[in-house]
Amino acid sequence: SQKIEQNSEALNIQEGKTATLTCNYTNYSPAYLQWYRQDPGRGPVFLLLIRENEKEKRKERLKVTFDTTLKQSLFHITASQPADSATYLCALEGGSQGNLIFGKGTKLSVKP
Amino acid sequence: KAGVTQTPRYLIKTRGQQVTLSCSPISGHRSVSWYQQTPGQGLQFLFEYFSETQRNKGNFPGRFSGRQFSNSRSEMNVSTLELGDSALYLCASRVAGDFTDTQYFGPGTRLTVL
Repeated sequence: SQKIEQNSEALNIQEGKTATLTCNYTNYSPAYLQWYRQDPGRGPVFLLLIRENEKEKRKERLKVTFDTTLKQSLFHITASQPADSATYLCALEGGSQGNLIFGKGTKLSVKP
Repeated sequence: KAGVTQTPRYLIKTRGQQVTLSCSPISGHRSVSWYQQTPGQGLQFLFEYFSETQRNKGNFPGRFSGRQFSNSRSEMNVSTLELGDSALYLCASRVAGDFTDTQYFGPGTRLTVL
């Protein structure tokens, strides 16, 4: 069955550093992948979408890569700030059901 | 535009009861999806409605059901509540249900089953 894994449950980094979050998937070849941010007590907020024919996408301090050979996406936040602290979720198109399949998320903590 | 709204925000029920949750999508959005979020399983897809029809369904028992009205507002119902149904229930809306459309999530309804 389709499986999506975010390697780290938690990631702690120092302010100003680059945070790199990993999303791996198996048994599937998605046409696109999405990244969301979720703060405590709130619903996820869409950040970026990257298609299978795109290697990299950027939005301000955010960068996403999509390697369909490795079946992996990397999500980078450069010059991280304490305000970036949140849980980040990756999601894939769910195939036959057409829904989104979410990873369990990585909780990022940026220390000042 | 107003965002996705969900009511109620918090709910406490006992085992065996039933519950109805409501979701109002962003104006103009015709697709509404429901998700269950728990610490152990993460975000799991329940079902999606588009133009009043259920278009997709996740792997949840028949106790979980939903519907969508002509104004795109949606409700989900859980009957015969079990302790394991305690979760954050999120709805998300998007314009037309194309998978590349941005999904906008509501704040969720926190359901506690005692």
